[in-house]
Amino acid sequence: GAVVSQHPSWVICKSGTSVKIECRSLDFQATTMFWYRQFPKQSLMLMATSNEGSKATYEQGVEKDKFLINHASLTLSTLTVTSAHPEDSSFYICSASHGDTQYFGPGTRLTVL
Amino acid sequence: KNQVEQSPQSLIILEGKNCTLQCNYTVSPFSNLRWYKQDTGRGPVSLTIMTFSENTKSNGRYTATLDADTKQSSLHITASQLSDSASYICVVTLNYGGSQGNLIFGKGTKLSVKP
Repeated sequence: GAVVSQHPSWVICKSGTSVKIECRSLDFQATTMFWYRQFPKQSLMLMATSNEGSKATYEQGVEKDKFLINHASLTLSTLTVTSAHPEDSSFYICSASHGDTQYFGPGTRLTVL
Repeated sequence: KNQVEQSPQSLIILEGKNCTLQCNYTVSPFSNLRWYKQDTGRGPVSLTIMTFSENTKSNGRYTATLDADTKQSSLHITASQLSDSASYICVVTLNYGGSQGNLIFGKGTKLSVKP
């Protein structure tokens, strides 16, 4: 089946630094990828839709200058959390569409100290 | 308001037993309903997908049902195994011309299977 990977799987950083998370579709091309955030015991919340070759579409309440998304190729989308703060600590999950199914990556655990 | 409600929030069962998880939704326009399994610290993995006209779908020991009239779905797990311990998430897709971004997520049911 279609596989989506994320890197890194976990990251710890100091407050004020920036962190980049990569999302790759390993065996298929994805013109559209999605970034979600999941807090403990909560459901996944869509942050933004990443479109290859164009600007991402952000959900209401998500700061586009803080969460920079780049979808430079059909197999790679990156999410950069700029000037991270402790409240940005969360589980970030990407997904990519293949056929009529959305395949999720394994997630990245971000902890901001 | 588009919502997906799941029950119970959590469930503990003994290995080998069966269980049923519930999902009620108020989503329109409806495209399909999926059940995902999410292991702790991992991304969700699709178990089943059902469209409006499908009543039941099986995937090994997992059987999902859908009643589009009452807007209810269930996931039945047969002969549970320790590896079934995970969160099970009900996800409804809005029918907006094929966009895969219009997913409404339930909060999940956390299942713990004990030996």
